[in-house]
Amino acid sequence: SAVISQKPSRDICQRGTSLTIQCQVDSQVTMMFWYRQQPGQSLTLIATANQGSEATYESGFVIDKFPISRPNLTFSTLTVSNMSPEDSSIYLCSAKTGTLNTEAFFGQGTRLTVV
Amino acid sequence: AQTVTQSQPEMSVQEAETVTLSCTYDTSESDYYLFWYKQPPSRQMILVIRQEAYKQQNATENRFSVNFQKAAKSFSLKISDSQLGDAAMYFCAYRSPNFGNEKLTFGTGTRLTIIP
Repeated sequence: SAVISQKPSRDICQRGTSLTIQCQVDSQVTMMFWYRQQPGQSLTLIATANQGSEATYESGFVIDKFPISRPNLTFSTLTVSNMSPEDSSIYLCSAKTGTLNTEAFFGQGTRLTVV
Repeated sequence: AQTVTQSQPEMSVQEAETVTLSCTYDTSESDYYLFWYKQPPSRQMILVIRQEAYKQQNATENRFSVNFQKAAKSFSLKISDSQLGDAAMYFCAYRSPNFGNEKLTFGTGTRLTIIP
């Protein structure tokens, strides 16, 4: 499997500000995903990052709050906008190739604390 | 929509013993993929084992094996000869077989503690 590097690994931010999280894969992948893991909770998909087009968001997540970019097949960013303490979570980037018979692999996550 | 349920928030096992983590799911699809992921304190999600629904044979990976009961929609993970490094959160996950809809639906997780 490929290696995903996620930056930053953690950050403490003031409410009302925005943070952009970067996800870099060491090989080309067809699919990239962004998940949120609230404290003590499971992972919930925010959106699928589509290369060259707008991301596909899951119910409850909107582009204005979580804008996503994916300029090429190895890189994506997730921005958490106008943050509030409720946005304090771990944000994980995931990727997989287009073949159905392959697994998704994950970055090490970004631990975000909003104060 | 698919749902995944893990009814054991916490489990503990003596080192070298065997433990089984439970997972049930709900789906109307006949073919799909099931996974167990491990999340240690480092936060990295690590794939432990996978099962394709069309395969009747239960998957095994060294000390890890599953008991896949398709009719009962049950997918439990058995860890044999538990080691201290197995301590982590374990998540059961479901994935649709449809190309382009490959998101993972996760259960709520089971925190596994290994007692030395």
